[in-house]
Amino acid sequence: DTAVSQTPKYLVTQMGNDKSIKCEQNLGHDTMYWYKQDSKKFLKIMFSYNNKELIINETVPNRFSPKSPDKAHLNLHINSLELGDSAVYFCASSYPRRGAADTQYFGPGTRLTVL
Amino acid sequence: SQQGEEDPQALSIQEGENATMNCSYKTSINNLQWYRQNSGRGLVHLILIRSNEREKHSGRLRVTLDTSKKSSSLLITASRAADTASYFCATDRVGSARQLTFGSGTQLTVLP
Repeated sequence: DTAVSQTPKYLVTQMGNDKSIKCEQNLGHDTMYWYKQDSKKFLKIMFSYNNKELIINETVPNRFSPKSPDKAHLNLHINSLELGDSAVYFCASSYPRRGAADTQYFGPGTRLTVL
Repeated sequence: SQQGEEDPQALSIQEGENATMNCSYKTSINNLQWYRQNSGRGLVHLILIRSNEREKHSGRLRVTLDTSKKSSSLLITASRAADTASYFCATDRVGSARQLTFGSGTQLTVLP
């Protein structure tokens, strides 16, 4: 199936641990994103990569480090997890064209719970 | 700060009725999009309206855009129980087409 996929779907971990979330898209898109959705469903962009290059880096603690080995993958590594990191993390991708709008395709989300 | 604000926050209607959700934003935009999120799932793109358009239709969806008021509305006609979901507007600011800013969402419940 063509899609944006994320693993794992659920992640439960202790405070202070380091964890990674993986994202892959086989849509041929050249831009990928990470979003954080809090308990009130507010969705906020964290990072965006275009062709493996960081183009958006919102005010996110440097404990969060995105890594893009190729344009089909954008992984999110989180160091020293804190209680406030508990949220649903969504990966998305898009194929922006000059003069065209940017429709984004979302993965199913990873629910991170920090205990 | 949050670009989009939606109202109502929650809407409950009977199957067959129409549902209207509104979105307001703060800055000049290139386009406005509406997305849908079913419980426990990712967002799915529904419809896009450009800043020079006033109204757009797609199936049972009708979107309007008033750039002078910086507002948009999404109308779902003849609603079905399967339309139950959260609906978000998203804007891309002039000069920042790749960065979408999402509203706070409207939770729509369609009762059978």
